[in-house]
Amino acid sequence: GESVGLHLPTLSVQEGDNSIINCAYSNSASDYFIWYKQESGKGPQFIIDIRSNMDKRQGQRVTVLLNKTVKHLSLQIAATQPGDSAVYFCAEPSNTGNQFYFGTGTSLTVIP
Amino acid sequence: DTGVSQDPRHKITKRGQNVTFRCDPISEHNRLYWYRQTLGQGPEFLTYFQNEAQLEKSRLLSDRFSAERPKGSFSTLEIQRTEQGDSAMYLCASSLFQGANEQFFGPGTRLTVL
Repeated sequence: GESVGLHLPTLSVQEGDNSIINCAYSNSASDYFIWYKQESGKGPQFIIDIRSNMDKRQGQRVTVLLNKTVKHLSLQIAATQPGDSAVYFCAEPSNTGNQFYFGTGTSLTVIP
Repeated sequence: DTGVSQDPRHKITKRGQNVTFRCDPISEHNRLYWYRQTLGQGPEFLTYFQNEAQLEKSRLLSDRFSAERPKGSFSTLEIQRTEQGDSAMYLCASSLFQGANEQFFGPGTRLTVL
């Protein structure tokens, strides 16, 4: 499978600060990328996706940036809240589109 | 609850025993996926169904693993002669159609093989 990796395994931020989670990918042909959030004891939950023809996409308190030149993704969370504490994964589809390749994940801890 | 459900949530078994997990996808979703997740890692694809047809299997799915979706609704994943290395979280996900970016995941079944 393709390699989807994250730079930092853990991240701690103060409540109210902004968080940035990074991800490197290797398949330059991927059409889109997805960020998932996984809380303890739960399955991954879709946060936001971005197509490869975009550089930036914004959602509610989240922004994803895509740099195709260096094959890098980032997820920015504004005004981080305790409920944002979770493991965050970036994922990209396989060539068939029938599965996703997930990175290792970054564990985000929000300090009240 | 209209999300993806999985049963059981936890399973402890002895090495060599067979186990079976069930997944009920979102009712209108015709695509169903099984993933395995070990501690500190992202989910790894095992297999996927479109309706009742199993269309893709990972190399991770050894001969001891078998998955079915007999009526195109719920699915079962069976592991025969379990090994300690099978200990993991088994996740099920469903999606509406090919090209749908969002796969909806269930809560998972955590398997511990003693």
